[in-house]
Amino acid sequence: AQRVTQPEKLLSVFKGAPVELKCNYSYSGSPELFWYVQYSRQRLQLLLRHISRESIKGFTADLNKGETSFHLKKPFAQEEDSAMYYCALHNAGNMLTFGGGTRLMVKP
Amino acid sequence: NAGVTQTPKFQVLKTGQSMTLQCAQDMNHEYMSWYRQDPGMGLRLIHYSVGAGITDQGEVPNGYNVSRSTTEDFPLRLLSAAPSQTSVYFCASSARRFSYNEQFFGPGTRLTVL
Repeated sequence: AQRVTQPEKLLSVFKGAPVELKCNYSYSGSPELFWYVQYSRQRLQLLLRHISRESIKGFTADLNKGETSFHLKKPFAQEEDSAMYYCALHNAGNMLTFGGGTRLMVKP
Repeated sequence: NAGVTQTPKFQVLKTGQSMTLQCAQDMNHEYMSWYRQDPGMGLRLIHYSVGAGITDQGEVPNGYNVSRSTTEDFPLRLLSAAPSQTSVYFCASSARRFSYNEQFFGPGTRLTVL
């Protein structure tokens, strides 16, 4: 069975500090992984996907198959990064299995 | 394009009542799905559809029914509401072609069952 685990429910950092939101997964096949973000009073939206190897809003995420992880990182956090972040694993039915989410709070 | 729309935004029900949450998309997406969002549990898949006339169960289907008579609409029915169904419900859609396609989410419906 596939599973996505985000061990931290809340992560609080100061502006300018580095951020790492952890995500671990279990999946028997070749994983397709995503990070979705939900800003206050906005709908859930895609932040980035591992296949694109992109940097969005300064965030990057590297798939580590050996450690079965897909941690989200940003070198310098901004206040506007405060949001709920969800790691998600795509399955063969084109649906997503989500982690429990991490609330990021960036303090001034 | 309106994207994915959901109605109503808020709803309060009494235990045992029934209701339908509406979802529509105007992007001609084949795939549509319903999730519920509960604190600490992320989003869990209730039901999904890979095209008109085709539906299947997700992780937490009990107490919910769906149908997909058109590509655009994917309503979620609560047959007899229970307090455990108090949650925020999200509808999503995506194009079928690639597994890494983005899912587009609606604004959500906040449901309270008393």
